[in-house]
Amino acid sequence: DAMVIQNPRYQVTQFGKPVTLSCSQTLNHNVMYWYQQKSSQAPKLLFHYYDKDFNNEADTPDNFQSRRPNTSFCFLDIRSPGLGDAAMYLCATSTPGQGTGEKLFFGSGTQLSVL
Amino acid sequence: KQEVTQIPAALSVPEGENLVLNCSFTDSAIYNLQWFRQDPGKGLTSLLLIQSSQREQTSGRLNASLDKSSGRSTLYIAASQPGDSATYLCAVKGTNAGKSTFGDGTTLTVKP
Repeated sequence: DAMVIQNPRYQVTQFGKPVTLSCSQTLNHNVMYWYQQKSSQAPKLLFHYYDKDFNNEADTPDNFQSRRPNTSFCFLDIRSPGLGDAAMYLCATSTPGQGTGEKLFFGSGTQLSVL
Repeated sequence: KQEVTQIPAALSVPEGENLVLNCSFTDSAIYNLQWFRQDPGKGLTSLLLIQSSQREQTSGRLNASLDKSSGRSTLYIAASQPGDSATYLCAVKGTNAGKSTFGDGTTLTVKP
């Protein structure tokens, strides 16, 4: 089945140690998103790619970076994780050509712990 | 700036009850509204999408409605089951830059 796949499901890192989360998709969608979700809160958009065009949210910390080497893969790099970066990180895709029928498809998420 | 509110934050009902979850938004200039289900520690599963020109969508025991003029959407769940226990989130996709804004969700518990 076509889907959005996130690896790993759980990631533990140390305070200040760089970490990379990965996302792949078999949907061939143009747009890929990274969201951060803390407990009992709404997902917060960090940035998104429209094809290779990178769009950063104004309040996304510089500590967060992203790479999209091709249509299928997107990576989230956290350069120096702090305790406040412990959260669920969600990858999503969509295809804008659907107009008002454009739908978000999510992966199963990566739960990041920072020790 | 779009703001999305879901009230109540938590809801507990006995099995078999029909229930309604609410989603309110402040800017009626929307592309669509999507309802999701999230199980603990998992990603979001899409339930229903209502396009801006539509009034409702149905899938099985779920029915979602949209009233753009009043800035409201409801998710109706018929004959609730313990397996429906999860957090339900709504996401409003705006016409400005096409971003989706999420509510904080309603956590539903269906007791056997």
